[in-house]
Amino acid sequence: DVKVTQSSRYLVKRTGEKVFLECVQDMDHENMFWYRQDPGLGLRLIYFSYDVKMKEKGDIPEGYSVSREKKERFSLILESASTNQTSMYLCASSAPGGVSYGYTFGSGTRLTVV
Amino acid sequence: GENVEQHPSTLSVQEGDSAVIKCTYSDSASNYFPWYKQELGKGPQLIIDIRSNVGEKKDQRIAVTLNKTAKHFSLHITETQPEDSAVYFCAASEAGTALIFGKGTTLSVSS
Repeated sequence: DVKVTQSSRYLVKRTGEKVFLECVQDMDHENMFWYRQDPGLGLRLIYFSYDVKMKEKGDIPEGYSVSREKKERFSLILESASTNQTSMYLCASSAPGGVSYGYTFGSGTRLTVV
Repeated sequence: GENVEQHPSTLSVQEGDSAVIKCTYSDSASNYFPWYKQELGKGPQLIIDIRSNVGEKKDQRIAVTLNKTAKHFSLHITETQPEDSAVYFCAASEAGTALIFGKGTTLSVSS
């Protein structure tokens, strides 16, 4: 069964810390995405990548960066965590043939910044 | 950029009734419209999708309709069951760009 694995289910970090959220997919997908999910706001796109070492900003990239050194791994970095970054973070990957098609999501990382 | 509006935000139905969730999009270049279901504690899962060259698509109890002229699309669930209770998200995109999601609809099916 194909999988997108997010390394942590729950994280608690302090304000100002540098935070790494890791995502690994085993489907050999070119495209990977990071979204954040907040009540009443749905899923908002932070960054995505369509190839190794490539990245594109989504709708809300401020305060975040990403790294894609290997095809299967896409990391989201909070350079200096703030309380307004407390959220559920979802990673997804998609099959070749179109960035939009066939998203597979991970189970999410619930991050609390205190 | 694309903007997707989804209604209603919550929907309660009795088991066996039908449920309809509606979405509108802003970018006329969008040509791919998937629907995702998110159960508690899990990531969203694709349940059905439609492309702009198709007006309707059905898969057992779920169907999606698309009206490109009006820029809206809808999810229809017939004969609802308690296991249909979840959060549903619509999304839209132009081929080659990332999906933009609606804000979600929490569907509750009571037996």
